[in-house]
Amino acid sequence: DAKTTQPTSMDCAEGRAANLPCNHSTISGNEYVYWYRQIHSQGPQYIIHGLKNNETNEMASLIITEDRKSSTLILPHATLRDTAVYYCIVRAPSRSNTGKLIFGQGTTLQVKP
Amino acid sequence: ETGVTQTPRHLVMGMTNKKSLKCEQHLGHNAMYWYKQSAKKPLELMFVYSLEERVENNSVPSRFSPECPNSSHLFLHLHTLQPEDSALYLCASSQDWGAREKLFFGSGTQLSVL
Repeated sequence: DAKTTQPTSMDCAEGRAANLPCNHSTISGNEYVYWYRQIHSQGPQYIIHGLKNNETNEMASLIITEDRKSSTLILPHATLRDTAVYYCIVRAPSRSNTGKLIFGQGTTLQVKP
Repeated sequence: ETGVTQTPRHLVMGMTNKKSLKCEQHLGHNAMYWYKQSAKKPLELMFVYSLEERVENNSVPSRFSPECPNSSHLFLHLHTLQPEDSALYLCASSQDWGAREKLFFGSGTQLSVL
């Protein structure tokens, strides 16, 4: 699985868009980008994933650069409840992989009033 | 509510005790997982079950013993634990073994070993 690099922490004002970057310069052609978040004292929560096209769901948008070496998770209108650690994970389809998702250290997003 | 319920939420045990953690998923999933999250460390995968069969055991000490009686329930039996085993233990499920990138986690059991 490709290695990812994320900033350790970020702040965002409530109501503004939160843009969380992730670098994955060694990503392979068949590897997807997954985003999870973990709110304090809870288990991680799946947010979104994508291969090369931009993706949007009810929680967030995922923008993947054309060369696929980096991506950005966008929370369009951050609320205090979005304060969490956000994990970017790069992984090929499961067929030959183990069950291990490598979560890394993630980005701690603090949404401020 | 993720559809994955873990009990108890908190557990304090001595090193000579035997206890069990329980996980139940109401999602109709076929694969279940135990993860461990120690303070300041990334999540570590411990065990994976697919259709009630263990498919992965990631070098976990024998003092942790998993059990999966059916596809909805997963247990982690604990005995003679060490203080360094204190951590948040997370259960997760996925639709099946082939969809193991999209996990649904419970809220975890915060374990303290005295």
